[in-house]
Amino acid sequence: SQQGEEDPQALSIQEGENATMNCSYKTSINNLQWYRQNSGRGLVHLILIRSNEREKHSGRLRVTLDTSKKSSSLLITASRAADTASYFCATVSNTGGFKTIFGAGTRLFVKA
Amino acid sequence: DGGITQSPKYLFRKEGQNVTLSCEQNLNHDAMYWYRQDPGQGLRLIYYSQIVNDFQKGDIAEGYSVSREKKESFPLTVTSAQKNPTAFYLCASSIFQGSNTGELFFGEGSRLTVL
Repeated sequence: SQQGEEDPQALSIQEGENATMNCSYKTSINNLQWYRQNSGRGLVHLILIRSNEREKHSGRLRVTLDTSKKSSSLLITASRAADTASYFCATVSNTGGFKTIFGAGTRLFVKA
Repeated sequence: DGGITQSPKYLFRKEGQNVTLSCEQNLNHDAMYWYRQDPGQGLRLIYYSQIVNDFQKGDIAEGYSVSREKKESFPLTVTSAQKNPTAFYLCASSIFQGSNTGELFFGEGSRLTVL
């Protein structure tokens, strides 16, 4: 089962624009994480936000979490061509063990 | 350098053959995971382990087996019982913190193709 559902499935923007990706999940969580994957490569961790946090920043990344709506968003500001990748949200539930469950991802294409 | 090494990167298998994918980590992490990724899809959890000699089934364990005899190693065997094994397989590890487990560190993946 996939816990997170990302929206949109794909996003194409111009360099310099902001990119926003959304994630919805189903069960209560301890934390939510965002990962990036370049084509054919492993995933790289970007940022983690805990269930008692509402917003977190890291460089050009801004993540928000709304536990009442079971949703999160990832904002990449001033995008670059090198940001072209797939982005996944992942959740760790506070029930049922310590599994990290991933969504289907958003494919971001940044045009130079 | 610390990290996770998966091998082989590419593997071809005939139907009916078992194959074993290797995953080694030198991060001193207790927890290790195997995920499967199909084209354009997210990751689905196959097996995970929090400690040596212990592992649990994930969401799609049928047709797969694992072992955890050493902390650093978590090999995955794709058996002939797996009906559709062609996929990209990703191994990961993390510090085990129970339900507060955080960042996963991933290997570069193994792409299995059944001929």
